[in-house]
Formats: sequence, C-alpha cells, structure tokens
Amino acid sequence: AQSVTQLGSHVSVSEGALVLLRCNYSSSVPPYLFWYVQYPNQGLQLLLKYTTGATLVKGINGFEAEFKKSETSFHLTKPSAHMSDAAEYFCAVSHRGTSYGKLTFGQGTILTVHP
Amino acid sequence: DSGVTQTPKHLITATGQRVTLRCSPRSGDLSVYWYQQSLDQGLQFLIQYYNGEERAKGNILERFSAQQFPDLHSELNLSSLELGDSALYFCASSEGTEHNGYTFGSGTRLTVV
Repeated sequence: AQSVTQLGSHVSVSEGALVLLRCNYSSSVPPYLFWYVQYPNQGLQLLLKYTTGATLVKGINGFEAEFKKSETSFHLTKPSAHMSDAAEYFCAVSHRGTSYGKLTFGQGTILTVHP
Repeated sequence: DSGVTQTPKHLITATGQRVTLRCSPRSGDLSVYWYQQSLDQGLQFLIQYYNGEERAKGNILERFSAQQFPDLHSELNLSSLELGDSALYFCASSEGTEHNGYTFGSGTRLTVV
C-alpha cells in the first residue's frame, strides 16, 4: 500500500520568503510523485510531477520539488513567496501496478502568505 | 477552464434521496476518476473508468455507483443519501493509464440536509 504524509497542515510565510512544504511517501515500488494546488472553490491544478529521470523537477509558478529516494521525500519549494501563492497544496503518489492511474493524496497543507 | 466539466456545481438535497453527478472529460482523455473531498477524510479515491470499463475501485460505498458512457462522459450516482455524504465530489480525467497527472474539474458541492 502507498501513503503520503504532509508535515504541517498549515504553513505561514512572509511575502518574499522561502516556501517549503514537506511531503514524505511510502511505496513498495518506485513511485510517481505529484504536487497539486487548490485555490478556494476551485479544483486541483497540477503544479509538477516526478515520473523518471531528473530528480529535481520544475513546475509552474516558480515551484520546484526534489525526489529523494533515500529520504522517501518530495518536498515542494519556491524561493520567494507571492501573495497569490496562498492556497492549499496536496502531495500525491502513484505507481505502476494494479491501480493504474489512481493517486493517493496527502491531507494537504494550507499556505498563508502575509505581507 | 481546465477542460473537465462537472455539473451541477452545487446540489442541496434531503437525506434518503438519490442524485446524479455528471462529468465530461477533457477532449481526448479516456480515463475518468472520481474523488470525494471532505474535511475529515481529505481526498478519497472512489473509482476509475477507462474507455467505458471500470479499472480501479477505491473507498466507494455500495450506495454509490458510476459508469462511463460511449461518448466518455461519466456519471456518479449517490443513493440513500446521508448527512455524512456532504462533500465536494471531483471528477478528473487523463489521456490513458499513463501517469502524467490528472486534469481536475471544479467539482460538485453536495449538501445533504
């Protein structure tokens, strides 16, 4: 079985500060990893994904994440937070196997950006 | 606009009733996924269809059922509704079974009173 743990249900940063949202996964086979963002009253939007290849992946809106197999982590970072980054962020895991495209999501981290 | 269309956006109904949620996937996408989002359970996978066939089942109650039609749109049927079924129901689609990530619709907010 696969699972995702997002450390910190709420993260608060100042505008211009580093954003770090933590995600650890559990998977018995090589995972595919994703970060999604959800703005209020909207669906989830894909920020970035890791499937194979380069472990540092870049996504939209200046976000990036690094797959660290030894740490079973896929933390999301952005060098400088913007007010428009305030949203809820979800880490998700999937893998080849019987579940096809099923994603297992973490509980989400609400990011607050204050001036 | 993500290209995945869900209707209706909001639904208020009474306990014991039955409702149908509809999803039209993004053009060219063959897979449709249904998720339930609630405050206590988070995002829970319900079911996946690929080109009309059920491919994977998650935490879907027996009172819930789904199908995907030849035109690839999908419907999620919820019956004998309970207060605890109040949630956001999301549909997502992808090209196939490859893991490129989904495209989500904006959801249907179901309130059971």
